Amino acid sequence: TQLLEQSPQFLSIQEGENLTVYCNSSSVFSSLQWYRQEPGEGPVLLVTVVTGGEVKKLKRLTFQFGDARKDSSLHITAAQPGDTGLYLCAGETQGGSEKLVFGKGTKLTVNP
Amino acid sequence: DTAVSQTPKYLVTQMGNDKSIKCEQNLGHDTMYWYKQDSKKFLKIMFSYNNKELIINETVPNRFSPKSPDKAHLNLHINSLELGDSAVYFCASSPRGGKEPQHFGDGTRLSIL
Repeated sequence: TQLLEQSPQFLSIQEGENLTVYCNSSSVFSSLQWYRQEPGEGPVLLVTVVTGGEVKKLKRLTFQFGDARKDSSLHITAAQPGDTGLYLCAGETQGGSEKLVFGKGTKLTVNP
Repeated sequence: DTAVSQTPKYLVTQMGNDKSIKCEQNLGHDTMYWYKQDSKKFLKIMFSYNNKELIINETVPNRFSPKSPDKAHLNLHINSLELGDSAVYFCASSPRGGKEPQHFGDGTRLSIL
């Protein structure tokens, strides 16, 4: 079974601070997606990374896929209250029936 | 316009009852999914269908039976509900599966009394 470990599980910071969320596995994934989920809603895709070492930027969010395609990180610069939410990483399994395996999420709270 | 809509949003019922959740997507996607999110926010795939054909069945109890009348709809019927079935159930769709982005509905919160 391919598992994704996310850390930290909870993060509470002040507006303007920087933060990094990690997503780690012992397995190789074909691609990795990051989602953000707000209360009462479904997850919404932020980004997909496919190539080992790939870096993608989405405004103040920077996503990186590890060289070996086993891990990923999400870095937020100058966090804002609107960044508050549950951040989920999801890896696409290799071979057989392709599916997404989700991490347990990082609940981020950005205080004004 | 709602892309992936599921009904009902809330479902409160007694143990032992049978219930259904409906899902529809208007994105023209070929693949649809059912996920279960537990109280700790862990999201786990249950089923996926591609153009009405079952592709993934993740060792879900037989009490759960998905049905896809056409590629825009994927319903979930649950027999003999148990306390452990309490969770939020999400429907999702993607163009062709795999690394394609998934679009989620807003979830159905199922509470078993």
